Amino acid sequence: EVQLLESGGGSIQPGGSLRLSCSVSGFIFSNHWMHWVRQAPGEGPVSLAEISPDGTRTVYADSVKGRLIISRDNAKNTLFLQMASLGVEDTAVYYCARGTVDWKGTDYWGQGTLVTVTS
Amino acid sequence: DIVMTQTPLSLSVALGQSASISCRSGQSLVHSDGRTYFNWLHQRPGQPPRLLIYEISNRFSGVPDRFSGSGAGADFTLKISRVEAEDVGTYYCMQTKQYPHAFGQGTKLEIK
Repeated sequence: EVQLLESGGGSIQPGGSLRLSCSVSGFIFSNHWMHWVRQAPGEGPVSLAEISPDGTRTVYADSVKGRLIISRDNAKNTLFLQMASLGVEDTAVYYCARGTVDWKGTDYWGQGTLVTVTS
Repeated sequence: DIVMTQTPLSLSVALGQSASISCRSGQSLVHSDGRTYFNWLHQRPGQPPRLLIYEISNRFSGVPDRFSGSGAGADFTLKISRVEAEDVGTYYCMQTKQYPHAFGQGTKLEIK
């Protein structure tokens, strides 16, 4: 069974940094592109970043470029998102999602981890 | 970036009736490989989005055949036949032709 489990969220002050993790199981992690998506309260999802199976290629949405770093550890089946200079607008549930192999897209999503930026 | 526009933004449907949601993208979603990377997702309150339909009309694993997708190019439709109570929530269209992947505003479905 494909499983993705995010962790690392919490309450943080503006200007702070946070590292999110996504631990996966049930599939060969190193075969898949992986994605981070966030969803602010009451809003739709927004794509943030994606990373290639071997971790050598990363792509970011313009809105977060320079503040977020996506990375992965294939030996530990774990995806990461390092976030810096957080603002209240970064308050959201952060999801990791698995990229598909046979077509361009995402198929499985984790349950998400809530990040709240507040003073 | 590609902009996705959904209509309607809310829908009230009686149990057993049909529902239809439309989505238009700001450009064609036909990729250079000839495939169209357009998807529908469903999100229940407090849950993550779940993939329903990919490449316009392919139902994802475990999705009932009450759900069907159609369309081409930049105009797409999701139809739900015989709406059930478990279908409530928000439906999102999503393009995965190019990054950043983009989502529609969402259509909230409730039971009348």
